[in-house]
Amino acid sequence: AQTVTQSQPEMSVQEAETVTLSCTYDTSESDYYLFWYKQPPSRQMILVIRQEAYKQQNATENRFSVNFQKAAKSFSLKISDSQLGDAAMYFCAYPPGNQFYFGTGTSLTVIP
Amino acid sequence: DAGVIQSPRHEVTEMGQEVTLRCKPISGHNSLFWYRQTMMRGLELLIYFNNNVPIDDSGMPEDRFSAKMPNASFSTLKIQPSEPRDSAVYFCASSFDVREQYFGPGTRLTVT
Repeated sequence: AQTVTQSQPEMSVQEAETVTLSCTYDTSESDYYLFWYKQPPSRQMILVIRQEAYKQQNATENRFSVNFQKAAKSFSLKISDSQLGDAAMYFCAYPPGNQFYFGTGTSLTVIP
Repeated sequence: DAGVIQSPRHEVTEMGQEVTLRCKPISGHNSLFWYRQTMMRGLELLIYFNNNVPIDDSGMPEDRFSAKMPNASFSTLKIQPSEPRDSAVYFCASSFDVREQYFGPGTRLTVT
């Protein structure tokens, strides 16, 4: 069963604009973590942002923020004021118990 | 902190040869993960250690793959004998109690 789903294989955004990447997940737990990772062409996996499910406030890290909808099991990433350096693959991740599930990724292109 | 260290960064070998990939996790982390990434299959979890003990190796493709973690600061992933279909980028990641994972730079393996 697919635990983490990213339904957008590719997205594009104009430089300085805002883009939202979608992620949904399956869980029966009430307390858990969710993460977004970025993988630029250098292929280094970089942690972008984390959300703790028991916190109602959406996490924010500079230009990156999440829209966490616990009931809908949705965890989208919003990138504001997009920059050329934001071009990368973005992976949503969910660690239930001893596992760590990644989505299939969304390739983001930033258009100058 | 130096982050997760992997060696070698690139490995080119001939089919049938033994390949050993190495990983040094972040000091203080108690969980270590080995992943394989290919275009066809995306990011796959191969094996996961907690406190140096293998917890889940269900992702290890076959008996040709083996992983060890003799102590908290070192792990190896061995492929013997290697095959062209093993060509991929292999990542090591570490975390504290299966929270956010921090990835190494990866080892790009090419088997000819």
